Amino acid sequence: KNEVEQSPQNLTAQEGEFITINCSYSVGISALHWLQQHPGGGIVSLFMLSSGKKKHGRLIATINIQEKHSSLHITASHPRDSAVYICAVSRNTDKLIFGTGTRLQVFP
Amino acid sequence: NAGVTQTPKFQVLKTGQSMTLQCAQDMNHEYMSWYRQDPGMGLRLIHYSVGAGITDQGEVPNGYNVSRSTTEDFPLRLLSAAPSQTSVYFCASSLNRVQPQHFGDGTRLSIL
Repeated sequence: KNEVEQSPQNLTAQEGEFITINCSYSVGISALHWLQQHPGGGIVSLFMLSSGKKKHGRLIATINIQEKHSSLHITASHPRDSAVYICAVSRNTDKLIFGTGTRLQVFP
Repeated sequence: NAGVTQTPKFQVLKTGQSMTLQCAQDMNHEYMSWYRQDPGMGLRLIHYSVGAGITDQGEVPNGYNVSRSTTEDFPLRLLSAAPSQTSVYFCASSLNRVQPQHFGDGTRLSIL
């Protein structure tokens, strides 16, 4: 069993839909990261959080430390949100442990 | 700022050849890492560095060497390329342990 599990693996949506991607982890962590990888391959860090909730534009990330669970929400989804969304956790080390990603396709 | 720059973007090698993947950052970041990304798997850490002169192994270090002679540069060397090293390689940097990482655009490497 991977230390970081994401669900779903693949997700399709119609433009405008509210989207949720989930991440569960099995280890104690110091922070959780959400990353976005576009079809061209580049990876961008979206959020880094250790408690509560963060919001940036139409993206919202939440974390529940007790339940070892995080969610990434996208409101009013748009085709340009189509990408692979990756969850990663950091422990009290310099290393990140990555999930395998959720592939999102948003259709007009 | 250019951010994290990786070269080359694409490379094809024959089994047994050696090569160096270059990574440079201009953000004065202390932390730098190399990852490989394979289909169906999450990014896996190859080697990392917490500052000039300091490197350490990650999850999958075999077959790779690194050095960190300057803060800016963190090259990854393949000593004797094997088909199992066919992958997409990403370099990343961050200011310190608690800051988000900045990724390069990746190097797509094929070993024949």
